Amino acid sequence: DAGVIQSPRHEVTEMGQEVTLRCKPISGHDYLFWYRQTMMRGLELLIYFNNNVPIDDSGMPEDRFSAKMPNASFSTLKIQPSEPRDSAVYFCASSYTEYTEAFFGQGTRLTVV
Amino acid sequence: GDSVTQMEGPVTLSEEAFLTINCTYTATGYPSLFWYVQYPGEGLQLLLKATKADDKGSNKGFEATYRKETTSFHLEKGSVQVSDSAVYFCALYNYGQNFVFGPGTRLSVLP
Repeated sequence: DAGVIQSPRHEVTEMGQEVTLRCKPISGHDYLFWYRQTMMRGLELLIYFNNNVPIDDSGMPEDRFSAKMPNASFSTLKIQPSEPRDSAVYFCASSYTEYTEAFFGQGTRLTVV
Repeated sequence: GDSVTQMEGPVTLSEEAFLTINCTYTATGYPSLFWYVQYPGEGLQLLLKATKADDKGSNKGFEATYRKETTSFHLEKGSVQVSDSAVYFCALYNYGQNFVFGPGTRLSVLP
């Protein structure tokens, strides 16, 4: 398996624009996680899915953020409208079960100007 | 809630020096403990793990022992290399909850 695949690797956008981040988890993994990493706040869990169903979205910072998982092999994280404070590296991770290790993608570095 | 505390970085060592990165946790029950490593420009990779008290996880010369009595999971390596320069994250998983990551410790190894 190629591992968790995220796209794009880098995204630069203007404030107010919509941004969509994409993730393909490892095949067979039932859990998918979205994390945000910043220097100030470290690694934060935004939301996670089990079998395509959102389980806990309490980490989503505000209504501008939304995440979907239409099928077992694809998930999106959308920010609309984007703001400069959303600039961060966003990681997607997947795991076989909720208590086995998570495998991380390489991340999407988002810059909102 | 559960939490993980790590020693503040950055940690700067010379090649072949001994490494210790301290990690302590607060959690109910019997969590599983993990060390992840993040190389520049990369995602986090699992380095090692331990799922019960007194277990020792080891990988690539790194090791950590799950000490329930001191609620610790310190990472050690006997002789670091320049290629070990990275950010190291201690993490725990408690059943029914999410993974909790520490803030990370940046390690720089000088030749």
